Amino acid sequence: AQSVAQPEDQVNVAEGNPLTVKCTYSVSGNPYLFWYVQYPNRGLQFLLKYITGDNLVKGSYGFEAEFNKSQTSFHLKKPSALVSDSALYFCAVRDDRGFQKLVFGTGTRLLVSP
Amino acid sequence: EPEVTQTPSHQVTQMGQEVILRCVPISNHLYFYWYRQILGQKVEFLVSFYNNEISEKSEIFDDQFSVERPDGSNFTLKIRSTKLEDSAMYFCASMRGSGNTIYFGEGSWLTVV
Repeated sequence: AQSVAQPEDQVNVAEGNPLTVKCTYSVSGNPYLFWYVQYPNRGLQFLLKYITGDNLVKGSYGFEAEFNKSQTSFHLKKPSALVSDSALYFCAVRDDRGFQKLVFGTGTRLLVSP
Repeated sequence: EPEVTQTPSHQVTQMGQEVILRCVPISNHLYFYWYRQILGQKVEFLVSFYNNEISEKSEIFDDQFSVERPDGSNFTLKIRSTKLEDSAMYFCASMRGSGNTIYFGEGSWLTVV
């Protein structure tokens, strides 16, 4: 069975500083990994994904994530945080078999201070 | 850009009443899902639907819940007899095909009183 761990409930960073939101995963087959962002009272917006290929994937709003197979991690990063990045971030995984439901982590709240 | 649309955005219902949440997935998508999220917490899988049948469901998706794709465009979630603990944000999602991204709607916030 698939699972995702987001070890930090909240990450605080000052505007302009780099940010990292951590995610580790467990799947039986090959992992398909995703990051979604949720702003207050809104839906889940797709940020980026890793399916295959380069371990560093780039996504929307300047975010990127690095797939590390040996550490089973897929941390979300951004070189310079903006106050508007403050939101709830979800890592999700599915494997390449079955009907491909996404399994989500518990979410990490990112707070970027001015 | 095509998007998943959901109605209603917010519904308040009395315990024991039936509720139908509606979704229009992205038009060329083939896989459909319902998820729920209780008060900004974890997003939980309810059910997936492909080729006009349920392909997988979670233990949350008990006999009270049902899904339907009545006309080739709408995808509905019915809760037969709502309970207080059904209060949550319900997200519809769709995916074009294997290996693609799952896109989510804005959600339907259900409050059971």
